[in-house]
Amino acid sequence: SQTIHQWPATLVQPVGSPLSLECTVEGTSNPNLYWYRQAAGRGLQLLFYSVGIGQISSEVPQNLSASRPQDRQFILSSKKLLLSDSGFYLCAWRGRQGVNYGYTFGSGTRLTVV
Amino acid sequence: GENVEQHPSTLSVQEGDSAVIKCTYSDSASNYFPWYKQELGKGPQLIIDIRSNVGEKKDQRIAVTLNKTAKHFSLHITETQPEDSAVYFCAVRSARQLTFGSGTQLTVLP
Repeated sequence: SQTIHQWPATLVQPVGSPLSLECTVEGTSNPNLYWYRQAAGRGLQLLFYSVGIGQISSEVPQNLSASRPQDRQFILSSKKLLLSDSGFYLCAWRGRQGVNYGYTFGSGTRLTVV
Repeated sequence: GENVEQHPSTLSVQEGDSAVIKCTYSDSASNYFPWYKQELGKGPQLIIDIRSNVGEKKDQRIAVTLNKTAKHFSLHITETQPEDSAVYFCAVRSARQLTFGSGTQLTVLP
């Protein structure tokens, strides 16, 4: 069965420090991968999505970047965090076989920038 | 792009009563409509979905109805229980992407 792993679960970082959040998927190949941010417990904002290795699409210009160095690995990064980067970050995947359009989300990372 | 509106933003019901959450969308070509449940501190979980060629789908106490002409769909939860308390999101697939509603905080009062 397919599983998605996201870590760390919580993170407290000072302003100006770098960020690296990692997401991996098991049990599937060539998935579509997504990074979402959720502020104040509501509203899922799509940040990045990837349809393959090295292919990244950005939905919102901001202080963050994403990379997909391997088929089932998706990384969210920042060189210098801002206070406004605080939030709940969610990774998700979707298979591309058949007609299964549903997204499966990871358990999320709570980022607090202080 | 797709525009999804979800109402209400908060909903309180007595245990055992029904809850209904509604979403409207703008793109008539949208073809897939999932609902997610998010418990505090966790990622959203898919609870039910419906495709554009179906008008209604039911899974035990939850059901989703779709009106393509009016471009709206609804989540119905019957015989609500305290464990149904969570934030619920609707979503719409359009142009190969899912666009989410703003969420509904459902509270089931004992």
